[in-house]
Amino acid sequence: EVQLVESGGGLVQPGRSLRLSCTGSGFTLGDFVVIWFRQAPGKGLEWVGHIRNRAIGETTEYATSVKGRFTISRDDSKSIAYLEMNSLKAEDTGVYYCSRSRRAVPIYFFDKWGQGTLVTVAS
Amino acid sequence: DVQMTQSPSAVSASVGDRVTITCRASQGISYNLVWLQQKPGTVPKRLIYEASTLQDGVPSRFSGSGSGTEFTLTISSLQPEDLATYSCLQYYIYPWTFGQGTKVEI
Repeated sequence: EVQLVESGGGLVQPGRSLRLSCTGSGFTLGDFVVIWFRQAPGKGLEWVGHIRNRAIGETTEYATSVKGRFTISRDDSKSIAYLEMNSLKAEDTGVYYCSRSRRAVPIYFFDKWGQGTLVTVAS
Repeated sequence: DVQMTQSPSAVSASVGDRVTITCRASQGISYNLVWLQQKPGTVPKRLIYEASTLQDGVPSRFSGSGSGTEFTLTISSLQPEDLATYSCLQYYIYPWTFGQGTKVEI
């Protein structure tokens, strides 16, 4: 079964750091773009950023709100993608989801989502 | 940024009704849009991709149409299990952006 599982969320003070993980199973994570989204409490979804797979450069894109503070990386040998979050702010609070996509293969565009992990930034 | 204006923000309809949700993009995004369904307390689920292709396993009462700047999600005959928030996402131009969501109540 294809699954994405996020982990690493929790309560963190403003200005501190946190690293989230997205573990893929049932498929080869290395063939896919991994995307991070988030959802603040009671709000809509927001794209955070993504990392392309090695075959297309393993490059990253970020939302303006997180650029310079968040870093996405991946370790395909472990089937894990990471979201390193630094200088956290209260407005980063929310549920973080990972999803997948595959360049030029629309059937895989955002077809699977993890269950989400809650990040709370508060003192 | 591409602004995705989704309407209505909420709709209350009866079982069997036809429900139409619209997303308008502030600039052309070709057909690079997905529709997501999020039932209360659950993970987003893809319903439609490439604006009009139905995800396998999704009931045929759901359909999507449009390209360029105007897109529509239609539920042809609303069912009780369709209680959810529906959102569009454009992935044509960075930053990728969502509509504000439409809460569908029965």
